[in-house]
Amino acid sequence: RKEVEQDPGPFNVPEGATVAFNCTYSNSASQSFFWYRQDCRKEPKLLMSVYSSGNEDGRFTAQLNRASQYISLLIRDSKLSDSATYLCVVKRNTDKLIFGTGTRLQVFP
Amino acid sequence: DGGITQSPKYLFRKEGQNVTLSCEQNLNHDAMYWYRQDPGQGLRLIYYSQIVNDFQKGDIAEGYSVSREKKESFPLTVTSAQKNPTAFYLCASSTGTSGGSYNEQFFGPGTRLTVL
Repeated sequence: RKEVEQDPGPFNVPEGATVAFNCTYSNSASQSFFWYRQDCRKEPKLLMSVYSSGNEDGRFTAQLNRASQYISLLIRDSKLSDSATYLCVVKRNTDKLIFGTGTRLQVFP
Repeated sequence: DGGITQSPKYLFRKEGQNVTLSCEQNLNHDAMYWYRQDPGQGLRLIYYSQIVNDFQKGDIAEGYSVSREKKESFPLTVTSAQKNPTAFYLCASSTGTSGGSYNEQFFGPGTRLTVL
């Protein structure tokens, strides 16, 4: 079983839709959680950290459920420019990051 | 402009040859990392270095070697011992390891290596 698991998608949604991705992790000692965005054939970039109380950044909302060991990302009012692969990332107790395989989102007009 | 550069962007290599991928950063970061990404898999850590003249193996170090002689440079050599070297290689850097808090890792644009 992979340490970080995500549905690979693709999620095909129309502009303006709300879409949510989930990610589960197996190591209960994981300390920190993040969502990275990766455009096709480009490098990953940090989208947002995920805090225990949940956090929002504009149209993006991240949630963490430590008891069930999953994190989620909600995107409201999807834009064409949101089309990308979203990587769920977990940090161990060092600076080593564990990456999920990513969930691909395609927003269409 | 501050950032991380990797060269070349595309690299072709014949089977049995060693090849070195370049990674340079001018962010004054202490820590640097090498990952590989394969289709359908997450990024996997090859090697990382927390300080000059020191580095540690990641999860898939076999067939690779690194050096960290300068703070700004962390080249990766893919040796002929690496069984499946064709992949997308990403270099990253961060301000360092600090236990509790997260020091964001910034990624370079990557090098696509193809073994012919």
